[in-house]
Amino acid sequence: EDQVTQSPEALRLQEGESSSLNCSYTVSGLRGLFWYRQDPGKGPEFLFTLYSAGEEKEKERLKATLTKKESFLHITAPKPEDSATYLCAVHVTGGGNKLTFGTGTQLKVEL
Amino acid sequence: ETGVTQSPTHLIKTRGQQVTLRCSSQSGHNTVSWYQQALGQGPQFIFQYYREEENGRGNFPPRFSGLQFPNYSSELNVNALELDDSALYLCASSVPGGSYEQYFGPGTRLTVT
Repeated sequence: EDQVTQSPEALRLQEGESSSLNCSYTVSGLRGLFWYRQDPGKGPEFLFTLYSAGEEKEKERLKATLTKKESFLHITAPKPEDSATYLCAVHVTGGGNKLTFGTGTQLKVEL
Repeated sequence: ETGVTQSPTHLIKTRGQQVTLRCSSQSGHNTVSWYQQALGQGPQFIFQYYREEENGRGNFPPRFSGLQFPNYSSELNVNALELDDSALYLCASSVPGGSYEQYFGPGTRLTVT
């Protein structure tokens, strides 16, 4: 069975304190890995898609990387407005068009 | 470009009742997926609709059903509501093939009492 595990469950950072969130996956065949940001009570907001090991994507203070077993979301010099839950999801071979999500990392950035 | 919209925003139902949730897909997207997100969990795939037919289903019982209309909008129906059905219900639209990126609506918060 396809599994997606995110760590840590929660992370508290000071403004400007860079860190990384981890998404490890065990799947039959990866077709794509997706990162989403979710604010409380809202729907997930699409951030990145990664398709193959070694690929990197950047957007403002966020950079996503992918290896054959895991993905990292690096947050550089975070600001309080980066506080949210970050979700990782995979699309797998033979899985139709469904996404399988991890449980997310709840990030809080304090002044 | 219009994003994914969902209605209603919030809903309170009693155990045993039936509920219908609605979703309008993003402009140009002809595939709609529904997810259930319990508090503190990631979204769980319920099913997907493409060309008005169910195109994949997760581990949800038959009392969860859906429809897609010619304009690509969709409904999620849940019969015989149970307390555990309380969750945020998310609709996501996409274009089949290619990137497989799914774009989510704001969700409907369903509370079953």
